Amino acid sequence: DAGVTQSPTHLIKTRGQHVTLRCSPISGHKSVSWYQQVLGQGPQFIFQYYEKEERGRGNFPDRFSARQFPNYSSELNVNALLLGDSALYLCASSFGLAGIREQYFGPGTRLTVT
Amino acid sequence: EDQVTQSPEALRLQEGESSSLNCSYTVSGLRGLFWYRQDPGKGPEFLFTLYSAGEEKEKERLKATLTKKESFLHITAPKPEDSATYLCAVQVANAGNNRKLIWGLGTSLGVNP
Repeated sequence: DAGVTQSPTHLIKTRGQHVTLRCSPISGHKSVSWYQQVLGQGPQFIFQYYEKEERGRGNFPDRFSARQFPNYSSELNVNALLLGDSALYLCASSFGLAGIREQYFGPGTRLTVT
Repeated sequence: EDQVTQSPEALRLQEGESSSLNCSYTVSGLRGLFWYRQDPGKGPEFLFTLYSAGEEKEKERLKATLTKKESFLHITAPKPEDSATYLCAVQVANAGNNRKLIWGLGTSLGVNP
């Protein structure tokens, strides 16, 4: 059974551009969360989606947005890229929203902003 | 303020030299504590979930324990392939009963052959 998949693996963008990152959860998982991880830090929570609705949002500017599709896959969009947006972007899926749910992470998308 | 602290920041062991990593937390409404392993440039790999004080879980050379204030990840007779960053995350319940994860900064473990 396939795990969480993310695309692209690596991405290089210029300041001011926008980027779209994609994530497919584990089959049967309905919740997708997005995290930003800067080198040497733990993941920072950006968004959580469940059943196509936003269920949580971290302390990130409005340049960051996301959505979830009927097949539970998800996109993270970042507009007006800044150098500080360079990071590993992780997608995690879990079965549900309520209760204690371990999250399973994808391999991440390495974004470099120049 | 909810906080998760991991120690040490980095640890280097000789193969076969057992040790423990610490994750201390100050949170309200603890729902669960998770341990993950992360290799460079990759996503975290789920290891354990602990729900209540006194609980223990084991997987190969790893054993996780939980008290009311902290969790330990014990590594018995480590091998070089155990080298990675080990992350601890705590799940808390917000107002409105939404769950969120609070992450520590991780412990970077290196095991020399």
